[in-house]
Amino acid sequence: DGGITQSPKYLFRKEGQNVTLSCEQNLNHDAMYWYRQDPGQGLRLIYYSQIVNDFQKGDIAEGYSVSREKKESFPLTVTSAQKNPTAFYLCASSMGVGISNQPQHFGDGTRLSIL
Amino acid sequence: RKEVEQDPGPFNVPEGATVAFNCTYSNSASQSFFWYRQDCRKEPKLLMSVYSSGNEDGRFTAQLNRASQYISLLIRDSKLSDSATYLCVVNRRGSYIPTFGRGTSLIVHP
Repeated sequence: DGGITQSPKYLFRKEGQNVTLSCEQNLNHDAMYWYRQDPGQGLRLIYYSQIVNDFQKGDIAEGYSVSREKKESFPLTVTSAQKNPTAFYLCASSMGVGISNQPQHFGDGTRLSIL
Repeated sequence: RKEVEQDPGPFNVPEGATVAFNCTYSNSASQSFFWYRQDCRKEPKLLMSVYSSGNEDGRFTAQLNRASQYISLLIRDSKLSDSATYLCVVNRRGSYIPTFGRGTSLIVHP
């Protein structure tokens, strides 16, 4: 079945540590996205990518970094500069450029907490 | 004014009730519209796209009113399992970056 796989499901970060969240899709989608969701809040866009080797900052990119070396993969690194990383992180994909009437599909998320 | 606005609720309804949510959008260049469902501590899942002519899927009906810039979701014969947060999503013409509403919480009780 086609879909988006995020791992790990739960992650704990120590003070000063960088951690990387994995996101893989086999939907052949061009566009991929990372969102952060805090309890009782809406989704906030961290980074997005419309094509391999290209990505743009979203609304809350500070303290995060991404790479897009392969079409299928869009890992997110939460750096030590992100002082409040505890949240639910969601990866999504869509068909992408020039196809604005297609919905996004989401992975099942990673819950990140500080130790 | 926020680009996409929803009443956060919660809407508390008995089983079997009919309930409707609205979502207003401010950008007239908005082109495509969707409703997602998000269960507690889970990812959003696409419920239905919203077409200009309106569309229906079982107990769920979605409508678009471009003149007044809102979309609606009607749920008939509510089930306990319909309890969730319903997210309104809007794409602007030529953009693949959607704008999400903050969601409307629905609680269906016995």
